[in-house]
Amino acid sequence: AQKVTQAQTEISVVEKEDVTLDCVYETRDTTYYLFWYKQPPSGELVFLIRRNSFDEQNEISGRYSWNFQKSTSSFNFTITASQVVDSAVYFCALGPGGGFKTIFGAGTRLFVKA
Amino acid sequence: KAGVTQTPRYLIKTRGQQVTLSCSPISGHRSVSWYQQTPGQGLQFLFEYFSETQRNKGNFPGRFSGRQFSNSRSEMNVSTLELGDSALYLCASSGLGRTSETQYFGPGTRLLVL
Repeated sequence: AQKVTQAQTEISVVEKEDVTLDCVYETRDTTYYLFWYKQPPSGELVFLIRRNSFDEQNEISGRYSWNFQKSTSSFNFTITASQVVDSAVYFCALGPGGGFKTIFGAGTRLFVKA
Repeated sequence: KAGVTQTPRYLIKTRGQQVTLSCSPISGHRSVSWYQQTPGQGLQFLFEYFSETQRNKGNFPGRFSGRQFSNSRSEMNVSTLELGDSALYLCASSGLGRTSETQYFGPGTRLLVL
């Protein structure tokens, strides 16, 4: 069975701190995709990144970076120099992608205090 | 390009009633998926439509149904509403629903059942 675990329910940091959100997944598929989405208070899920199972390169986009390690089935997300606008719930997801069933983790609520 | 739009944004119904939610995908996208988000169960996949056909289905009772029109717009219907149906209903679209694609989400419809 497929599963995504985000063990951190809530994280609170002070602005400019770095923060890492953990994501551990389980799947027997050899081809799969991992996603991170951000959900601000407005409710809309905002797509952040997609990574396929054959691409273990880490990625950096501005203050965001992702560390994918197949050996530990983890896909962690780091925000460098956090800002108040980063406050949101962040979801890690696993799936074939597209319109097929995507499994979401329970989410990590991030509070960034000024 | 306009994003995924959902109407209405908020809805209040009473037990036993039925409700219809609407979703317009990103222009050119033909796959539409629906998700239910609750505090207790998190984000759960309801179903996916492609070319007016339901292609994938989650584990929800038959009270939850949907359809897709020739312009790819989709509607979701919940009959005989129960208190537990109170949730944020999110719609997502992708191009052809291929496994390599990313789903983009709308702002959701927040349903409250009294």
